Amino acid sequence: EADIYQTPRYLVIGTGKKITLECSQTMGHDKMYWYQQDPGMELHLIHYSYGVNSTEKGDLSSESTVSRIRTEHFPLTLESARPSHTSQYLCASSSGRTGVSVNSPLHFGNGTRLTVT
Amino acid sequence: QKEVEQDPGPLSVPEGAIVSLNCTYSNSAFQYFMWYRQYSRKGPELLMYTYSSGNKEDGRFTAQVDKSSKYISLFIRDSQPSDSATYLCAMRKQGAQKLVFGQGTRLTINP
Repeated sequence: EADIYQTPRYLVIGTGKKITLECSQTMGHDKMYWYQQDPGMELHLIHYSYGVNSTEKGDLSSESTVSRIRTEHFPLTLESARPSHTSQYLCASSSGRTGVSVNSPLHFGNGTRLTVT
Repeated sequence: QKEVEQDPGPLSVPEGAIVSLNCTYSNSAFQYFMWYRQYSRKGPELLMYTYSSGNKEDGRFTAQVDKSSKYISLFIRDSQPSDSATYLCAMRKQGAQKLVFGQGTRLTINP
């Protein structure tokens, strides 16, 4: 089982609140990702990082922000939650060391189910 | 038009049946093809990984890629109730890091 942890597992919060979803991995992976998953819909990449102090926006427009101060930690923050942010957020990581095949799989956490009322 | 199309199901079959799950795609640049399995309230986990065209077998699972038809399949033989999950196909281009996922097919194996 992959060693990637997300907290909280479930979060119900009111509109306008600031929230941070936590993601940590103990595998030493350089690359980390945040995906959004809605029922019956494909996973959408919202943020990714290829290493410390590196962050990029993904394919899906998102009002969230991320930071990568430590290799193992990749938190996602919503400054002002809205009902449209209600979704499941999945964090993932993969190895990408120089000289190693780039064909390394994603390891996913178990997700945070966010409900904004 | 979505780059990757996958029938969301749900698909329900009896235990022991052969299951066929499929995805079609529109971008011929995709070279790496994956199948992820996602149990309820869990994150996806990699099940099968193939490069370019051909077949790959791992136990009861066979992944098949037909690049000429832009079509990939996952076959499950002797299906078990423990195979009940959502199966997501994913693919990416040569040199790219980002995966493009299908919607996932929800599969139930009935004892």
